[in-house]
Amino acid sequence: GAGVSQTPSNKVTEKGKYVELRCDPISGHTALYWYRQSLGQGPEFLIYFQGTGAADDSGLPNDRFFAVRPEGSVSTLKIQRTERGDSAVYLCASSPRSTGTESEAFFGQGTRLTVV
Amino acid sequence: SQKIEQNSEALNIQEGKTATLTCNYTNYSPAYLQWYRQDPGRGPVFLLLIRENEKEKRKERLKVTFDTTLKQSLFHITASQPADSATYLCALPNQAGTALIFGKGTTLSVSS
Repeated sequence: GAGVSQTPSNKVTEKGKYVELRCDPISGHTALYWYRQSLGQGPEFLIYFQGTGAADDSGLPNDRFFAVRPEGSVSTLKIQRTERGDSAVYLCASSPRSTGTESEAFFGQGTRLTVV
Repeated sequence: SQKIEQNSEALNIQEGKTATLTCNYTNYSPAYLQWYRQDPGRGPVFLLLIRENEKEKRKERLKVTFDTTLKQSLFHITASQPADSATYLCALPNQAGTALIFGKGTTLSVSS
């Protein structure tokens, strides 16, 4: 596709429920990132995939958060037992290679998650 | 861990003036720094990258400086326009070189 696509755009869920957020990166981009952004804050790093493997998951806040990228393209961020504090915009970004090598990140429009 | 501070949360200027945004960082020396623009309800969009051995970089009305001694980058928009109103984020690679770490951003408002 032309850019990074994230679905759904908005997700409202009840506390304690499980949610999945999907990211379709730009075709051919090997690096994929998930970030979380709260109101008035910059994006906070969660996890980085290089191909199919999670090369850095040090930003995941706890074991309720998990992400996969089984075929090296589409990624899914999974949140178990959601809490109200998980409410934020979840951003996905892709890059031709790791942003550690100066490559710019291309972001999707984000998924706004609201836990009620 | 590295920290990034963008000094002003909000900056209001008049059309035609130069906007100057500041990004300070601590705890290590990154090989480069990036600036992004973010509009409400949208993801950040890449603007410029400047390397540690580059003092200044320009792109149209944008200019970025990088002072590794002061651990500071300045981002300038000359002849500002209302369409420049947005949040501007500075970002550095983390020490592992695996991801970008972002500042909180500065929200610029340009009035006509």
